[in-house]
Amino acid sequence: DTEVTQTPKHLVMGMTNKKSLKCEQHMGHRAMYWYKQKAKKPPELMFVYSYEKLSINESVPSRFSPECPNSSLLNLHLHALQPEDSALYLCASSHDQGSEQYFGPGTRLTVT
Amino acid sequence: GDSVTQMEGPVTLSEEAFLTINCTYTATGYPSLFWYVQYPGEGLQLLLKATKADDKGSNKGFEATYRKETTSFHLEKGSVQVSDSAVYFCALSDRNQGGKLIFGQGTELSVKP
Repeated sequence: DTEVTQTPKHLVMGMTNKKSLKCEQHMGHRAMYWYKQKAKKPPELMFVYSYEKLSINESVPSRFSPECPNSSLLNLHLHALQPEDSALYLCASSHDQGSEQYFGPGTRLTVT
Repeated sequence: GDSVTQMEGPVTLSEEAFLTINCTYTATGYPSLFWYVQYPGEGLQLLLKATKADDKGSNKGFEATYRKETTSFHLEKGSVQVSDSAVYFCALSDRNQGGKLIFGQGTELSVKP
């Protein structure tokens, strides 16, 4: 089983809202990732967690706040987003940092 | 820094045609190489991988060989189907650089019946 699940599938939020994206995997993977993907572009790495600790932050604005409550779960908390933050947000996991990554289906976020 | 270059799309083929999508890379170390596929409205799926020179990755009729001498990892399929229509991403990952995936720009493939 190489399934990564993400909820919600779609999210529309205003610029003053607070919302969260959720990602879950039950493959025993110890590395988890958040990516942002704009239309017709490759995914851009945002954050990497390794063994539940933040390993990489690609200079992401503080309005995006990641959280890894346990080895199976990864959240992305959103606050005061801008319309340009509208994108597909993808979660991925891998056995460890450096192994092949398995992606979830993504959350389509629209900021109004 | 490390980088990946893919042939530009869109690529349009007729069903049962031969497919090649070129991918070349630049890396200072010894990366692993991957092809991912993204169907419309979905996330990325790992299509195949190769972890060292001369390795051949294959899956679902697709294959690619890790060529260190030409720094290439071209994707091929002998006979494409309409269901292969998607965007294909070539990517590399180097453990010594935190395992970050470096993607090419993606190649959109459209297969017509």
